[in-house]
Amino acid sequence: SAVISQKPSRDICQRGTSLTIQCQVDSQVTMMFWYRQQPGQSLTLIATANQGSEATYESGFVIDKFPISRPNLTFSTLTVSNMSPEDSSIYLCSVEDHLSYEQYFGPGTRLTVT
Amino acid sequence: KQEVTQIPAALSVPEGENLVLNCSFTDSAIYNLQWFRQDPGKGLTSLLLIQSSQREQTSGRLNASLDKSSGRSTLYIAASQPGDSATYLCAVSGAGSYQLTFGKGTKLSVIP
Repeated sequence: SAVISQKPSRDICQRGTSLTIQCQVDSQVTMMFWYRQQPGQSLTLIATANQGSEATYESGFVIDKFPISRPNLTFSTLTVSNMSPEDSSIYLCSVEDHLSYEQYFGPGTRLTVT
Repeated sequence: KQEVTQIPAALSVPEGENLVLNCSFTDSAIYNLQWFRQDPGKGLTSLLLIQSSQREQTSGRLNASLDKSSGRSTLYIAASQPGDSATYLCAVSGAGSYQLTFGKGTKLSVIP
């Protein structure tokens, strides 16, 4: 199974600022995923990030608000831009094992916007 | 659009009991189903994955079953322990898609 780390683990940010979340995997993976978990809700996919191409965003999520980078096969970043209190959530990255199709998740980044 | 429902939303049991968590999904054309555990404020830990062609998977005290035609899965936990206390999430992926659709989870409390 893949081991995934995220930075920061948590942050408190002011309205109107931006935060970049880092996701590091201990093995090379083709696809990385970014999810959001709002308080009391389940996980929602934000986008899929492939190395060397633009990220694919799900309905309701746009690149200007959630720009994603994928510079190599073990690393990705998600930026939450121009934050508002509604962006307060846990943000998680995940990868899929291409042999078993099992998805593995990072520990998450808990974001609070004041 | 796939929808995943988990019942009950919360469950409290005394230590040592066997228990069953339920998951249902509206579109039976799934590729696989995965059960996760989430501890408060933490990420997800994968527990079991069932391919659409399989009926069940077992890992230790956990057994997950899948009835694709009826759109249902169950997670059976034997001899529950306080350390099993967590939220359990069910997620399905559709054919040709990597996207997981999650239920809202069942919050389990095992009382010593």
